[in-house]
Amino acid sequence: NAGVMQNPRHLVRRRGQEARLRCSPMKGHSHVYWYRQLPEEGLKFMVYLQKENIIDESGMPKERFSAEFPKEGPSILRIQQVVRGDSAAYFCASSPSPDTQYFGPGTRLTVL
Amino acid sequence: GQQLNQSPQSMFIQEGEDVSMNCTSSSIFNTWLWYKQDPGEGPVLLIALYKAGELTSNGRLTAQFGITRKDSFLNISASIPSDVGIYFCAGRMDAGGTSYGKLTFGQGTILTVHP
Repeated sequence: NAGVMQNPRHLVRRRGQEARLRCSPMKGHSHVYWYRQLPEEGLKFMVYLQKENIIDESGMPKERFSAEFPKEGPSILRIQQVVRGDSAAYFCASSPSPDTQYFGPGTRLTVL
Repeated sequence: GQQLNQSPQSMFIQEGEDVSMNCTSSSIFNTWLWYKQDPGEGPVLLIALYKAGELTSNGRLTAQFGITRKDSFLNISASIPSDVGIYFCAGRMDAGGTSYGKLTFGQGTILTVHP
């Protein structure tokens, strides 16, 4: 059973461009979480989704950030008009229920 | 918002020594988790604690869920070089509603083991 997959592993964008981060949860997992990690810090919760629904987006900035988890396909975290402060590692986790979360390897976003 | 204070920030130890790190919170959590993160990878779950006062072991790792539900500690016995990494505590409310499942992480403890 493959683990949580994230792609790309590394993403470089210039200021003002859009970044799209993808997360494929483990098979049978319908709960997806996105976290952001700044250098030398812990992970910070951004958003919690179930299939086609956003359950909790209390950690996600109101502007420029959006997330979806469609009925078919991976979950997408989208950052519009990126700024240097968006540079971070973004981790996705999945679970079969709101219980133990299994993390993916992350996407390292660098904004030039 | 909820905050977890994890200490120490870093540790430098000799192989074979025991290690202890802890986490305290200003809020009550119903679940405490300990993760290890290697460079360039995502966190991997080490131990999960679900009940106040619970003491759980996983090989050389032992973790406890504090009675007040506001703290937890992790011990690693007889450390080996592959224990090197960043250890994170995380708390979860499990209170239902929209916060269900959301994890709050500590700042991490960087462990270095000298052979």
